Amino acid sequence: DAKTTQPTSMDCAEGRAANLPCNHSTISGNEYVYWYRQIHSQGPQYIIHGLKNNETNEMASLIITEDRKSSTLILPHATLRDTAVYYCIVRVPLGQFYFGTGTSLTVIP
Amino acid sequence: GAVVSQHPSRVICKSGTSVKIECRSLDFQATTMFWYRQFPKKSLMLMATSNEGSKATYEQGVEKDKFLINHASLTLSTLTVTSAHPEDSSFYICSARLAGGGPDTQYFGPGTRLTVL
Repeated sequence: DAKTTQPTSMDCAEGRAANLPCNHSTISGNEYVYWYRQIHSQGPQYIIHGLKNNETNEMASLIITEDRKSSTLILPHATLRDTAVYYCIVRVPLGQFYFGTGTSLTVIP
Repeated sequence: GAVVSQHPSRVICKSGTSVKIECRSLDFQATTMFWYRQFPKKSLMLMATSNEGSKATYEQGVEKDKFLINHASLTLSTLTVTSAHPEDSSFYICSARLAGGGPDTQYFGPGTRLTVL
């Protein structure tokens, strides 16, 4: 079962930062936080993951609270191509991915 | 790098027939592959974990005799939907995990849309 809670949907203006929250209040000490996104009728795309430190890559930044009970994915300059369903998943190393319902992000021109 | 392909991308079949879907890791070896299904406007549901050279592990509620999984090599896993029925119509997605070192993540294929008439 998914261990995360995300808003069902969000809108973001093109060019603005998109901040997608995720609650994972029951996360265990060895569980990582992963973010994937799925554009309509395609396979999920890996975005970023982290354990407790904030992470940044060419796609996004991941901010994890100090108590690790929540995190935020930041897309710094959203484009129309970022419109997708974003999934936040917690997972032990080498474990399976169990997807929740995700957040449907719509980037508005 | 880390590209996963699926074939076919779309398939339409008659009720009662069997359909095979291939999942390939194109530029890496994958000791473990995973199969998911996704209904319209729903999330991905993990069906089974496939380990190269051994039997697949199925999630609770997934019929292993209906969804046959074979992982004969480090780059290929197949899912066969046997005696397909209209309720098996769905989007089937595979993923693969890198063997050995590298980031602990999974790379997903583009999916196969199955329609059973």
